[in-house]
Amino acid sequence: EAQVTQNPRYLITVTGKKLTVTCSQNMNHEYMSWYRQDPGLGLRQIYYSMNVEVTDKGDVPEGYKVSRKEKRNFPLILESPSPNQTSLYFCASSFSGTSGGTGELFFGEGSRLTVL
Amino acid sequence: GNSVTQMEGPVTLSEEAFLTINCTYTATGYPSLFWYVQYPGEGLQLLLKATKADDKGSNKGFEATYRKETTSFHLEKGSVQVSDSAVYFCALTLGQGAQKLVFGQGTRLTINP
Repeated sequence: EAQVTQNPRYLITVTGKKLTVTCSQNMNHEYMSWYRQDPGLGLRQIYYSMNVEVTDKGDVPEGYKVSRKEKRNFPLILESPSPNQTSLYFCASSFSGTSGGTGELFFGEGSRLTVL
Repeated sequence: GNSVTQMEGPVTLSEEAFLTINCTYTATGYPSLFWYVQYPGEGLQLLLKATKADDKGSNKGFEATYRKETTSFHLEKGSVQVSDSAVYFCALTLGQGAQKLVFGQGTRLTINP
């Protein structure tokens, strides 16, 4: 089954304790992205990756890191989480524009993070 | 810059009512337009799309027409069901791929039996 898998789905942590949210897709997509969803603000892009070893900042990258060492995986790293990073996070993937992508994103089920 | 504005929510309707969720956009160029839906506890999924002016996207009884003259892409359904309760996001992209996808703030829809 084609899917984007995120882990963990729920996490409560404390300020400053490093954490990683994993994301994996099995559709051979070049493009992957992380979003955060907050009430009244919709979806805001954190980072994206056009392909392996190619990453770039989105609209709200502060406090986050990413890596793309393999095509299928795109982990989101919070080196020192703070309460303002409490949010619902989504990973998404798609084919790139140059390989026939039409703009349709495939989303994971989300990871709800609470930073105390 | 490029942006999407959706009607304020939440929206509450009775089953079989007519639905309209307004969406207008600002873009430099000619975007492709999308509606995504997020059911409770799930990620977003594509509902419908239109890639050029006057195109009509449709799926699951929902429709939206790309109106260049009014820069709008309003979502409509003639008779909603309880199962349509979800959050709906309008979005645009100027590139061929999804890397420049810009989302509206979302509209929560609740359908009462």
